[in-house]
Amino acid sequence: EPEVTQTPSHQVTQMGQEVILRCVPISNHLYFYWYRQILGQKVEFLVSFYNNEISEKSEIFDDQFSVERPDGSNFTLKIRSTKLEDSAMYFCASSERQFSDTQYFGPGTRLTVL
Amino acid sequence: GIQVEQSPPDLILQEGANSTLRCNFSDSVNNLQWFHQNPWGQLINLFYIPSGTKQNGRLSATTVATERYSLLYISSSQTTDSGVYFCAALRGAAGNKLTFGGGTRVLVKP
Repeated sequence: EPEVTQTPSHQVTQMGQEVILRCVPISNHLYFYWYRQILGQKVEFLVSFYNNEISEKSEIFDDQFSVERPDGSNFTLKIRSTKLEDSAMYFCASSERQFSDTQYFGPGTRLTVL
Repeated sequence: GIQVEQSPPDLILQEGANSTLRCNFSDSVNNLQWFHQNPWGQLINLFYIPSGTKQNGRLSATTVATERYSLLYISSSQTTDSGVYFCAALRGAAGNKLTFGGGTRVLVKP
């Protein structure tokens, strides 16, 4: 069964540094998402992306965050200047259709900001 | 936006026992998914079930869309069933984001 993959599995960075989290969605999917989960809390939506544009973003997704589909397979989340509170598990997801369809989640990238 | 509430928050089971987890949501939905978060933090898709009943091995799920709830049944529980179970709902009119509940933490004791 096709899977969403994410790299790296774990990233440690210093406060103020830029990080790029990478995702390869399922190949025939058109809708892409980033979610995050702070340790011990619920999973929260960050952003959705379709047709090379952000289609929706949450209040969390401020100017420090950006997303990009640099080629036909990768989908990236960039945090420009990391803060301690950005420490979380970041999940990428993809779906074939917009609403009435399964969102498939990747295994996550655990980001630790020191 | 849509509200998603799960109960109970914690559940301790003896191996072999059956259990029911509940997910209430505040509005009509286009998508309702159940996930199992394993000890490594990975979210494993269990069911896509905006309505009706599905079964997969020892797990089954039922969503009663008109009454705005979904149930996840675990039968003959095993220690590998331990972890956190999340439901997540999407209401298309409010965008294409999944809203997650707070989860049910399940511990199956041998």
